[in-house]
Amino acid sequence: RKEVEQDPGPFNVPEGATVAFNCTYSNSASQSFFWYRQDCRKEPKLLMSVYSSGNEDGRFTAQLNRASQYISLLIRDSKLSDSATYLCVVNRWGSQGNLIFGKGTKLSVKP
Amino acid sequence: EAGVTQFPSHSVIEKGQTVTLRCDPISGHDNLYWYRRVMGKEIKFLLHFVKESKQDESGMPNNRFLAERTGGTYSTLKVQPAELEDSGVYFCASSQDSGTATTGELFFGEGSRLTVL
Repeated sequence: RKEVEQDPGPFNVPEGATVAFNCTYSNSASQSFFWYRQDCRKEPKLLMSVYSSGNEDGRFTAQLNRASQYISLLIRDSKLSDSATYLCVVNRWGSQGNLIFGKGTKLSVKP
Repeated sequence: EAGVTQFPSHSVIEKGQTVTLRCDPISGHDNLYWYRRVMGKEIKFLLHFVKESKQDESGMPNNRFLAERTGGTYSTLKVQPAELEDSGVYFCASSQDSGTATTGELFFGEGSRLTVL
């Protein structure tokens, strides 16, 4: 079993739609959680960290459920520019920079 | 400010040959990381430098891979001899401090795509 699992998609949605991505992690020693975004043939970039209390950044909302070992990302009012692959990333306790990546979920926003 | 730069962007070599990838981190970043993505798989950690010292090399696949960071600035990753399964995209990343456990913000380069024929 992969340490971080994501639905690979693709998710094809119209502009303005709300879309949700889910991610599960298997290692209960995981400490920190993030969503990265990667455009085609580009580098991954941090989108947002994920906190137990849930956090929001504009149209993006991230949630963490430690009991279920589940992370989510909600994108409201999708834009064409949101088209990318979204990577769920986990960092284990005591690990510095050894980030565990999911394979990513591909999102395509259509006009 | 310049980001993380990697060279070459794409390298095509034959099995058994040697390739050296270079990474220039963001100026002032003590922490430098190498990651790799092979076709169809997730991005995986290879190793972590703090300045010139290897902090964690638990992800290095085997002794055909050698990473160096002399002087604590740029880093090189050498694959010798290259095998077919080494094909993939090699990402370098850097961060200013070791607080990535909390912030998670690594700044990645665009990657070096390696094709081994």
